[in-house]
Amino acid sequence: DAGITQSPRHKVTETGTPVTLRCHQTENHRYMYWYRQDPGHGLRLIHYSYGVKDTDKGEVSDGYSVSRSKTEDFLLTLESATSSQTSVYFCATGTGVNTEAFFGQGTRLTVV
Amino acid sequence: AQSVTQPDIHITVSEGASLELRCNYSYGATPYLFWYVQSPGQGLQLLLKYFSGDTLVQGIKGFEAEFKRSQSSFNLRKPSVHWSDAAEYFCAVEGGAQKLVFGQGTRLTINP
Repeated sequence: DAGITQSPRHKVTETGTPVTLRCHQTENHRYMYWYRQDPGHGLRLIHYSYGVKDTDKGEVSDGYSVSRSKTEDFLLTLESATSSQTSVYFCATGTGVNTEAFFGQGTRLTVV
Repeated sequence: AQSVTQPDIHITVSEGASLELRCNYSYGATPYLFWYVQSPGQGLQLLLKYFSGDTLVQGIKGFEAEFKRSQSSFNLRKPSVHWSDAAEYFCAVEGGAQKLVFGQGTRLTINP
């Protein structure tokens, strides 16, 4: 357990509203990632960060933005939630050594 | 681009039977390869990893995997499964820049 806390763990929101998910880590890992998990797709990378204020897009970044103002926090924002963003979101961290990643418990987001 | 294919969406085996989960990857160089396990409602836990050297790697919970470059495969095996092994299993490959690319996952059901 890399000391990763995701909040909230569950959220139901309405279409068109902004939503922010938070990931907090206590291990001082350089890399942080946001993935979404959907049946039949495994986990797909949304955005990642390789340092404070250093972020980049992943495979499925449309409709999402991120921010990392401190080493320990990585925020994922859905700018205007859509039903297609109903998913389970996982935060992960990494030291940058051999790409090994450590995962949080996930956030289940439902957009109605 | 790197990719991972897990051909079996769902596998059912009897308790005590042997298990093999298949994983094929697409990667130009020597890959970093991983197997993760996800229990219901939980995050992902690393089972084992391959970076270089011995092509047979041992992991936690009695799992092992064999890297076969000629077949672009990294299959996960266990000689005798336990009811607690029921979970979803994900194969992943390093996708460049410290990012992981995941397969679609294989759900394992154990019959008593």
